[in-house]
Amino acid sequence: EVQLVESGGGLVQPGGSLRLSCVASGFTFSSYWMSWVRQAPGKGLEWVANIKQDESEKYFLGSVTGRFTTSRDNAKSSLYLQMSSLRAEDTAVYYCARAFTYSNSRGYYYYMDVWGKGTTVTVSS
Amino acid sequence: DIQMTQSPSSLSASVGDRVTITCRASQSISSYVNWYQQKPGKAPNLLIFGASTLQSGVPSRFSGSGSGTDFTLTISSLQPEDSATFYCQQSNSAPWTFGQGTKVEIK
Repeated sequence: EVQLVESGGGLVQPGGSLRLSCVASGFTFSSYWMSWVRQAPGKGLEWVANIKQDESEKYFLGSVTGRFTTSRDNAKSSLYLQMSSLRAEDTAVYYCARAFTYSNSRGYYYYMDVWGKGTTVTVSS
Repeated sequence: DIQMTQSPSSLSASVGDRVTITCRASQSISSYVNWYQQKPGKAPNLLIFGASTLQSGVPSRFSGSGSGTDFTLTISSLQPEDSATFYCQQSNSAPWTFGQGTKVEIK
């Protein structure tokens, strides 16, 4: 079964740090881009970051650039989101997702086809 | 950043109704639009990618269309299990962005 399982969420004080993990199973993790998406309580979805298979390309939401970084360990089929200088507005459920790439004559298409159940991050004093 | 504007923000319809949700991009994005369904307390589920390609396993009552700046998700015959929030998302360029969501309720 194709699966993603996040962990590492919790309560952290403003200015603190937290590291989220996402373990993949059921597919060849090293073959896919991976993404992080978050959802604040009662709000919509917000893309956070993407990382290429070999970590050679990473992209971040503007509001987290310089505070968040993402990495992966393909040998462990694991994805990580290191968050620092956390703010109240970072409070959210954080999802990892597989970013499938499909190409045809018209271009490269990316879409998030497998999602974890999410892990909750609460930033509060 | 590319803004994705969905409408309506919510709707209420009866079982069997045809439902249409629109999404407008702030600039042309070809067909790099995906649609997701999210039920309360659950992760999003991919419905449509590339503006019009139905994801495997998704019921055929869901369809997508559009290119450039204007996109549409259609549910041809609304079912009780379709009660959810629907999001469009552009993957034309980083940062990827989502619409604000459309909450669909069953009358």
